[in-house]
Amino acid sequence: SQQGEEDPQALSIQEGENATMNCSYKTSINNLQWYRQNSGRGLVHLILIRSNEREKHSGRLRVTLDTSKKSSSLLITASRAADTASYFCATVSVLDMRFGAGTRLTVKP
Amino acid sequence: DSGVTQTPKHLITATGQRVTLRCSPRSGDLSVYWYQQSLDQGLQFLIQYYNGEERAKGNILERFSAQQFPDLHSELNLSSLELGDSALYFCASSVSNSPLHFGNGTRLTVT
Repeated sequence: SQQGEEDPQALSIQEGENATMNCSYKTSINNLQWYRQNSGRGLVHLILIRSNEREKHSGRLRVTLDTSKKSSSLLITASRAADTASYFCATVSVLDMRFGAGTRLTVKP
Repeated sequence: DSGVTQTPKHLITATGQRVTLRCSPRSGDLSVYWYQQSLDQGLQFLIQYYNGEERAKGNILERFSAQQFPDLHSELNLSSLELGDSALYFCASSVSNSPLHFGNGTRLTVT
């Protein structure tokens, strides 16, 4: 069963705009990770945020984590057509690691 | 390149058959994970091995089994295949619960 639930399921924006994807989860976690998947390829790790962290940056990516609301967001700034992909959050607990259903991002040139 | 190798890339077989998917983890990674990805079910966790031992089990059917060998490569065996088993099967590896490194998957088509 899924742990994280991404929102929205699909997002279409113009190049240069920012894209925000959200992830909600249900149980306590050790960390939360975001991955990207190009069509038909394996997932690629983007960023990890620990349960005691609130915000993390990596290049054009900004991730926030609110453990009280059990939610995280991924912001991609100044999007590019090459950012078109599916984005997944993954929650890591003591027991296991579970992925959400993903957000399909389309960036139009 | 993630360093995780999956073979074969594509597999077409008939219902009722049995197939074996193979995964070579990234050098040094002791954990191997198997995931199934289909259009309507998203990315489903199947099973995890750590250094040869089963660590966690997800939504793995009884018709499916896996193992991790002493050289750390892993195999996922799918038997009595059904049409609904058609999916992308991913293997991932990691040092522990650190970020996963995914292979490019095996696309299984059951006809």
